[in-house]
Amino acid sequence: SAVISQKPSRDICQRGTSLTIQCQVDSQVTMMFWYRQQPGQSLTLIATANQGSEATYESGFVIDKFPISRPNLTFSTLTVSNMSPEDSSIYLCSVASGNYEQYFGPGTRLTVT
Amino acid sequence: AQKVTQAQTEISVVEKEDVTLDCVYETRDTTYYLFWYKQPPSGELVFLIRRNSFDEQNEISGRYSWNFQKSTSSFNFTITASQVVDSAVYFCALKPTGRRALTFGSGTRLQVQP
Repeated sequence: SAVISQKPSRDICQRGTSLTIQCQVDSQVTMMFWYRQQPGQSLTLIATANQGSEATYESGFVIDKFPISRPNLTFSTLTVSNMSPEDSSIYLCSVASGNYEQYFGPGTRLTVT
Repeated sequence: AQKVTQAQTEISVVEKEDVTLDCVYETRDTTYYLFWYKQPPSGELVFLIRRNSFDEQNEISGRYSWNFQKSTSSFNFTITASQVVDSAVYFCALKPTGRRALTFGSGTRLQVQP
């Protein structure tokens, strides 16, 4: 199994600013994922982050808005840039282990005012 | 493309009632995995079960049971004798073997009244 921690757990930010969310895993993993969950909605994949390569973004998400870093096999960051109230969501980090195991972090609750 | 449909947006039951949450999926892949997660008000996703496409056996774990029917592309979840602590949003998710990320359904909010 994998234990995932995220920082911060929650934040309230002003529009136009940026927030970087950190994701730390207790073991080395090849693939890490960032999901967004808007209020009352399901989880939507933002991007897949592999160590040593550029993140792969899903349709509707762009690197300028959600830059991702993956400096090693246990850590990743997601930045939400130039925030607007529409970015208010829970952001979840996830890792894949083996062919099917999926583990999720506790999430970061972001409110943009 | 993958798709997961949870037609029930919200269900309200009284404690001790049985409740079934429906999940229908679409995929062109022949091998895949199906998942159920629980999301209590705290927001954390709690893993409940994983089932692979080769295994159509139903599973029971305590008050929880799952009915996987490949012929109808359904993976339904039943809670027997529901409790107030079961109140949460439940998500069904799909992962084809060749893809690492999950495709989630829209979720079903379950309210169990005392």
